[in-house]
Amino acid sequence: EPEVTQTPSHQVTQMGQEVILRCVPISNHLYFYWYRQILGQKVEFLVSFYNNEISEKSEIFDDQFSVERPDGSNFTLKIRSTKLEDSAMYFCASTEGGLRSPLHFGNGTRLTVT
Amino acid sequence: RKEVEQDPGPFNVPEGATVAFNCTYSNSASQSFFWYRQDCRKEPKLLMSVYSSGNEDGRFTAQLNRASQYISLLIRDSKLSDSATYLCVAVSSNTGKLIFGQGTTLQVKP
Repeated sequence: EPEVTQTPSHQVTQMGQEVILRCVPISNHLYFYWYRQILGQKVEFLVSFYNNEISEKSEIFDDQFSVERPDGSNFTLKIRSTKLEDSAMYFCASTEGGLRSPLHFGNGTRLTVT
Repeated sequence: RKEVEQDPGPFNVPEGATVAFNCTYSNSASQSFFWYRQDCRKEPKLLMSVYSSGNEDGRFTAQLNRASQYISLLIRDSKLSDSATYLCVAVSSNTGKLIFGQGTTLQVKP
């Protein structure tokens, strides 16, 4: 069964550094998402991406964050200057689209900012 | 009011028990709902889709009550392997964005 893949599985970085989290969505999917989950808290929406542009973003997704689909397969999340509070699990997800299409999640990147 | 609200639990039940979780949503325009299961430090995995009044899959039954704006998940004959956090999800009919509840933790004990 096709799956969403994310790399790396764990990223440790120092405060102020830039990180890029990578995702390869399922190949025939058209909608891509990033969610994050701080330890012990709920899964939070960050951004959705369709047709090579952001379709929606949350208040969490400020100017420090950006997303890109540099080629036909990868979907990246960049955090320009990491803060301690960015430490979380970041999940990439994709879907075919439509209100009845569930999201398929990658197994996440654990980001630790020290 | 939170967009999707769940009782966080934890629910501690013995093997073989029947357990039910409720979830309420605030946006009456939401059309589609899902239940996801999340194991500790893992990604959410789809458990069931809920479109009309409900859905059944083996030991799992999901029901939707649009008038009261809640969704329920019933697990019959609980197994140890059912121990996890169960996430209620509503789809925003405006954007298609999935809104997650905080999750309900289930611990099934021998």
